[in-house]
Amino acid sequence: SQQGEEDPQALSIQEGENATMNCSYKTSINNLQWYRQNSGRGLVHLILIRSNEREKHSGRLRVTLDTSKKSSSLLITASRAADTASYFCATREGASGTYKYIFGTGTRLKVLA
Amino acid sequence: GAVVSQHPSRVICKSGTSVKIECRSLDFQATTMFWYRQFPKQSLMLMATSNEGSKATYEQGVEKDKFLINHASLTLSTLTVTSAHPEDSSFYICSAWTGLTYEQYFGPGTRLTVT
Repeated sequence: SQQGEEDPQALSIQEGENATMNCSYKTSINNLQWYRQNSGRGLVHLILIRSNEREKHSGRLRVTLDTSKKSSSLLITASRAADTASYFCATREGASGTYKYIFGTGTRLKVLA
Repeated sequence: GAVVSQHPSRVICKSGTSVKIECRSLDFQATTMFWYRQFPKQSLMLMATSNEGSKATYEQGVEKDKFLINHASLTLSTLTVTSAHPEDSSFYICSAWTGLTYEQYFGPGTRLTVT
């Protein structure tokens, strides 16, 4: 399979709560990225974590990476209704000049006001 | 900066016809452009990788004669769905990569419906 796995597939929470999404991947990586997609739209890059990093923060986002388990998590704190979207992790494969990005299955987050 | 456009945003065509989708990087030059396909509530599946001036590299299972990709310049790539069938109906997304950073920039997507 081309893709990594994400869980949960769908998550529904109340505004103000935290949302945690997990991603597992299959190959060795140089970095892992998280993207957001609003319904019927393109993807927006959220955050990148390198393979030698264990945790990274950006605003209300916190990403962790465990390369021994080939997994990553995305935490959104103090969620807002506007955070409702699908979230995907992506890893880069291939050698220089032949890079390609493989996306996880995604988590559909719904934040209820 | 780093804006990628796609045209058209939506297209409806009849079975058997061909449809061309354009992907443009508006304010930067893209070494590589990627084409993805996305079914409802599913993830993005990479179809092909396109480098300017060379033939596209297709993923396993993607018919290169059906999905023609042309990357004529550093700011434009096109995907032509030939002899479209209803099962080709999907959301097609392109992304562009400068080669300078890890980030790829996505277009807004094209919704193709084949009747």
